[in-house]
Amino acid sequence: DAGVTQSPTHLIKTRGQQVTLRCSPKSGHDTVSWYQQALGQGPQFIFQYYEEEERQRGNFPDRFSGHQFPNYSSELNVNALLLGDSALYLCASSLRGHNQPQHFGDGTRLSIL
Amino acid sequence: DAKTTQPPSMDCAEGRAANLPCNHSTISGNEYVYWYRQIHSQGPQYIIHGLKNNETNEMASLIITEDRKSSTLILPHATLRDTAVYYCIVRWPNFGNEKLTFGTGTRLTIIP
Repeated sequence: DAGVTQSPTHLIKTRGQQVTLRCSPKSGHDTVSWYQQALGQGPQFIFQYYEEEERQRGNFPDRFSGHQFPNYSSELNVNALLLGDSALYLCASSLRGHNQPQHFGDGTRLSIL
Repeated sequence: DAKTTQPPSMDCAEGRAANLPCNHSTISGNEYVYWYRQIHSQGPQYIIHGLKNNETNEMASLIITEDRKSSTLILPHATLRDTAVYYCIVRWPNFGNEKLTFGTGTRLTIIP
């Protein structure tokens, strides 16, 4: 039973570029959440997707957007990259409404030059 | 979601019990306490959660005080692989609220 998988594992971009990160949830899960983790800090909630719609959002600008597909997989898009966007981006999946724990992938390390 | 306070770092000898405290004095009646840990270069790993009763699973035990203002995560026989950052999170798991609010956690180092 595969857990949460994310791709790519590492990515290098330059300022102003756009990036797309991908996530496949754990089997049986229908909700995907994205988090940003800067070096030395805890993960910060970006947003959550359920039934292909954004349902909950943290304090992140509109440059951060996402998508969920019918198979529950998800993408995180970041436009107009800034140096401060360098971080580990984590995807977590869960089964909505069942108070079951979220399962995390090992993240995508994004570096902005 | 209520805020939590944890010590920034702790050491524990290998084979001993590691007791990690968490203060959540503003917790409300319907909020659960969750514990996650993050080993270097990996994503957070779920450990345990509870509402008001003590909980135990194959990884750890969770002790919540009667007034629910604090809790302790217990790793009964710590090994070197338990070295990680441990996060205590309080969350109301109502339908639609999947957000986990992480603090800076406790960096636990297991000493050989």
